Amino acid sequence: GAGVSQSPSNKVTEKGKDVELRCDPISGHTALYWYRQSLGQGLEFLIYFQGNSAPDKSGLPSDRFSAERTGGSVSTLTIQRTQQEDSAVYLCASSLADGGVTEAFFGQGTRLTVV
Amino acid sequence: AQSVAQPEDQVNVAEGNPLTVKCTYSVSGNPYLFWYVQYPNRGLQFLLKYITGDNLVKGSYGFEAEFNKSQTSFHLKKPSALVSDSALYFCAVRDSGSARQLTFGSGTQLTVLP
Repeated sequence: GAGVSQSPSNKVTEKGKDVELRCDPISGHTALYWYRQSLGQGLEFLIYFQGNSAPDKSGLPSDRFSAERTGGSVSTLTIQRTQQEDSAVYLCASSLADGGVTEAFFGQGTRLTVV
Repeated sequence: AQSVAQPEDQVNVAEGNPLTVKCTYSVSGNPYLFWYVQYPNRGLQFLLKYITGDNLVKGSYGFEAEFNKSQTSFHLKKPSALVSDSALYFCAVRDSGSARQLTFGSGTQLTVLP
C-alpha cells in the first residue's frame, strides 16, 4: 500500500482480555517499529524489527507484551491480560534498511482503551 | 545509550513571528536527527532530517533546523509562524553507529496565536 496501515483504528476491551494490534508496513521496508503514546505524552519505544535479525525487545514494558513479524512484512503486537494502564495509542512505523538515514513513516495508530 | 531532550512542553508564539522549538541530543557516535509533527488525532508526519553535510537543513511547510555539534542541538525554526502550524512537535535521534532504534523526545506543543 501507499503508507503504513494499522488495524483496528480503535479498540475497546475489558480488563483482563487479550488484544492483537496489526501493522502492515510500506512495501519494501524491512525495518519496523512499535511505539506507545499515552495521552499528551511522548513516544515510548516498544520493539524494533530489522529483516531477519533478532528483534530489539528492550522497550517492552512487561512479559504481557509480545510482537511478531511474519515473513518480514506484517507485524502483530499482542497484549495479554490487559490492564487499564495499557490504554494508549499504539503507533507502528517502517523504514528502509539503509543504515538508518531514511526517515520512518508512521501509521495512524490504534487507540486502545481498557475498561 | 541515546537520548533526546525537548526542554519546553509548550511554546506560544504570535502569528507572523519567528518560532523556535528546542531539541538537544546525546549519542555515542554521530547523530542522525529528525523532526516530526503530529496534528490532533493524526499520526506523525516527517518534517526534515540531518544526516551529514550542511548544518542548516530545510524541510516541509517552510520549516528548517540547524545542527550544532558543539552544543549537541538541533532546534526547529520557522521565520514566520502560521496558525496552522499549531501542533505537537517531536525531535528524534538515531546513533549512526547502531542505526537501530529511533529515540524520540517528549514533544513540544506549539500554539500559534492569531
